[in-house]
Amino acid sequence: NAGVMQNPRHLVRRRGQEARLRCSPMKGHSHVYWYRQLPEEGLKFMVYLQKENIIDESGMPKERFSAEFPKEGPSILRIQQVVRGDSAAYFCASSPLQDPGTEAFFGQGTRLTVV
Amino acid sequence: EDQVTQSPEALRLQEGESSSLNCSYTVSGLRGLFWYRQDPGKGPEFLFTLYSAGEEKEKERLKATLTKKESFLHITAPKPEDSATYLCAVQSPSGSRLTFGEGTQLTVNP
Repeated sequence: NAGVMQNPRHLVRRRGQEARLRCSPMKGHSHVYWYRQLPEEGLKFMVYLQKENIIDESGMPKERFSAEFPKEGPSILRIQQVVRGDSAAYFCASSPLQDPGTEAFFGQGTRLTVV
Repeated sequence: EDQVTQSPEALRLQEGESSSLNCSYTVSGLRGLFWYRQDPGKGPEFLFTLYSAGEEKEKERLKATLTKKESFLHITAPKPEDSATYLCAVQSPSGSRLTFGEGTQLTVNP
């Protein structure tokens, strides 16, 4: 049973470009969470999604950031017009449909560097 | 707003020297308290979930305990491979998010 898969592992973007981060949850998991870890800081919640629904986006910056989890395919975190302050590690986690309150398993993350 | 404070920020131990990491929390209704291990450049690796005060869970050299205000991660006779950052997180009643502490960076010297 493959774990949570994130790609790419590393992403370099110039200021003003768009970044697309992908997350495939564990098999049988229908809940996806995105977290951001800034250098020397803890993990911060961004958004919680189920298939075709955004459940909680209270941690998302109001501009430039969006997330989706379509019926088919991976969840996508999209950052438009990236700035240097967006440089961070972005982690995706998933948990099972039947028990969204149980363990959330994390992927290896995408490290975004904005130059 | 949920808050999690971990202490110490960093801890150096000699191999075999047992110790404990602390996680203090304030939350409006604890649904679960989680412990994760994170190695450099990797994602958090799930260790334990605790749900109610008095609960304890063990895995190899690690033992997690929970009270109404804090959790401890006890490390017995640690080995160098236990070196990592240990993260504590609490889950909101809605189950929609984890609120993480800043972590404790553990180094175990041989």
